[in-house]
Amino acid sequence: GAVVSQHPSRVICKSGTSVKIECRSLDFQATTMFWYRQFPKQSLMLMATSNEGSKATYEQGVEKDKFLINHASLTLSTLTVTSAHPEDSSFYICSAPDRKFSTNNEQFFGPGTRLTVL
Amino acid sequence: SQQGEEDPQALSIQEGENATMNCSYKTSINNLQWYRQNSGRGLVHLILIRSNEREKHSGRLRVTLDTSKKSSSLLITASRAADTASYFCAREGRDDKIIFGKGTRLHILP
Repeated sequence: GAVVSQHPSRVICKSGTSVKIECRSLDFQATTMFWYRQFPKQSLMLMATSNEGSKATYEQGVEKDKFLINHASLTLSTLTVTSAHPEDSSFYICSAPDRKFSTNNEQFFGPGTRLTVL
Repeated sequence: SQQGEEDPQALSIQEGENATMNCSYKTSINNLQWYRQNSGRGLVHLILIRSNEREKHSGRLRVTLDTSKKSSSLLITASRAADTASYFCAREGRDDKIIFGKGTRLHILP
């Protein structure tokens, strides 16, 4: 089946710095990827839809200038948390649908990136 | 809120008993999916049920879908300690977006 990877798996940074998280589809092309955020003991909240070759679309309440998304190729989307603050500490997860491997429109989720901002 | 509702929020049962979790949603769907997540870990995909399906089985898991009531249920039979986890339903809409429910924290007691 399809595999989605994320890098890094864990990052600790100082307040005010920017952090980049990568999401890669390893064996399929993804024109669309999705980014989620999960706070402790809560569910996943969809942040934005990453579109290859065009601007990302953000969910209501998500600051596009703070969470920069770049979908530079058919296998890579990056999420940059700019000027991170402690309240941005969270588990960030990406997903991508693969029409080739899945006949059921199944989406494949990355393993997540745990961000801790000191 | 973009999220659906799940109940119960938390469930504790004895090992060997069956666990039932319910999920409701508000908009039309392409499919509904159930995931498991162990504490601090990634998601594990359990079952996907399409909007034109009513029931699906996978091992000890049984999922039902009632599109007229906009609800789904996940049944885990003969529960085991390893089933202790959070369970989320997630609806996929026409726009391919997957929206997660709030989840049920399941605890299997020895």
